[in-house]
Amino acid sequence: EVQLVQSGAELKKPGESLRISCQGSGYTFRNYWIGWVRQMPGKGLEWMGIIYPDDSYTRYSPSFQGQVTISADKTSSIAYLQWSSLKASDSAMYYCVRRDGSGWDFYFAYWGQGTLVTVSS
Amino acid sequence: SSELTQDPAVSVALGQTIRITCQGDNLGGYSVSWYHQKPGQAPVLVMFGDKNRPSGIPDRFSGSRSGNTASLTITGAQAEDEADYYCNSQDSSSGQYVFGTGTKVTVL
Repeated sequence: EVQLVQSGAELKKPGESLRISCQGSGYTFRNYWIGWVRQMPGKGLEWMGIIYPDDSYTRYSPSFQGQVTISADKTSSIAYLQWSSLKASDSAMYYCVRRDGSGWDFYFAYWGQGTLVTVSS
Repeated sequence: SSELTQDPAVSVALGQTIRITCQGDNLGGYSVSWYHQKPGQAPVLVMFGDKNRPSGIPDRFSGSRSGNTASLTITGAQAEDEADYYCNSQDSSSGQYVFGTGTKVTVL
């Protein structure tokens, strides 16, 4: 069974750093792209970026380029999303997703349970 | 920037049919997928490749595409279909993934 299990909720202060994780299991982790999605309180889904764990090739949404870092450890089957200096506006739920499909048809059949990040002084 | 536009909210009487649309000028050749999200839960895939239902999704859900507009139709809406619905696709020029603005579906 394919599963994406994310790390637990975080409460951080502005300016602090943070790394959250997404552990994949039930499939060959390195062969599937993993994406990250942000959902601010009461708002819609926002695409952040995606990584191919086998070679760590990463593409960021222009809105998040330079704001976060996406990485992956293919030997441990874990993808990461990290911030070097959090802001209050980073408070949101973050989901990891596995990209499936091919050619012109891509979709996200598997989602992590979400990690709630709260940034408050 | 690429955008996928959805109606913010739609309501439907129990057992009636509802169609949710997703319009994007830069959809191009990429297909559209659809997700529903209930309060406090992660989104769930309900349609992919414009018109394909994943296993476990009831056949009252159907998808279609005409040019730059994709549609998700629920024929005979049930109370459990009440949720937020999002479309997703890739921008034909940048290849970036983008979610639609979301539609809140209320079943009366």
